[in-house]
Amino acid sequence: DTAVSQTPKYLVTQMGNDKSIKCEQNLGHDTMYWYKQDSKKFLKIMFSYNNKELIINETVPNRFSPKSPDKAHLNLHINSLELGDSAVYFCASTDRDGTNEKLFFGSGTQLSVL
Amino acid sequence: SQQGEEDPQALSIQEGENATMNCSYKTSINNLQWYRQNSGRGLVHLILIRSNEREKHSGRLRVTLDTSKKSSSLLITASRAADTASYFCATGARYGNKLVFGAGTILRVKS
Repeated sequence: DTAVSQTPKYLVTQMGNDKSIKCEQNLGHDTMYWYKQDSKKFLKIMFSYNNKELIINETVPNRFSPKSPDKAHLNLHINSLELGDSAVYFCASTDRDGTNEKLFFGSGTQLSVL
Repeated sequence: SQQGEEDPQALSIQEGENATMNCSYKTSINNLQWYRQNSGRGLVHLILIRSNEREKHSGRLRVTLDTSKKSSSLLITASRAADTASYFCATGARYGNKLVFGAGTILRVKS
């Protein structure tokens, strides 16, 4: 039933490791996003895909690589994890191009890099 | 720099009181949205107001938008303990295709 689901909910890993976060939406939306929320609750957009095509790529280290196998899925792979990557990562989706519609968020993945 | 900035950063009120949160932004917008985030959860959309609208209501929520001052306010009337959460404004730019979020207001409603 969950509209936007992301896994895992918690991810604890060592510096230097590679990890992936998965996201799926069953709302039939065209656009999906990854947002990063830091410890001060500041929410910043990282990537956006529309129908599997990358449309937003903010200033994010190239250790972060999103992949969208189809418009219902947007995964985030992170290479060589660093301490500063610790944050909560949110997946979101919206219909059409996103600026005029509300976002539906997943429940977040809390990433802790030790 | 961040588009939206909420004020105050934190607000503590008694149940039954009204809560007002403000948001200021810097560039032209197409719409402004408010979201709520409960602790440990994702953001939930509350209300969207378009740039040609001045006021909008949804249940106990009232949102105003003043494009001349580049500001918006969210009023929650007759607050409840369950309203305790962080509240974020987000702006949709006139050009571009992303929502930009403010830093949020932490609201605590004491019962």
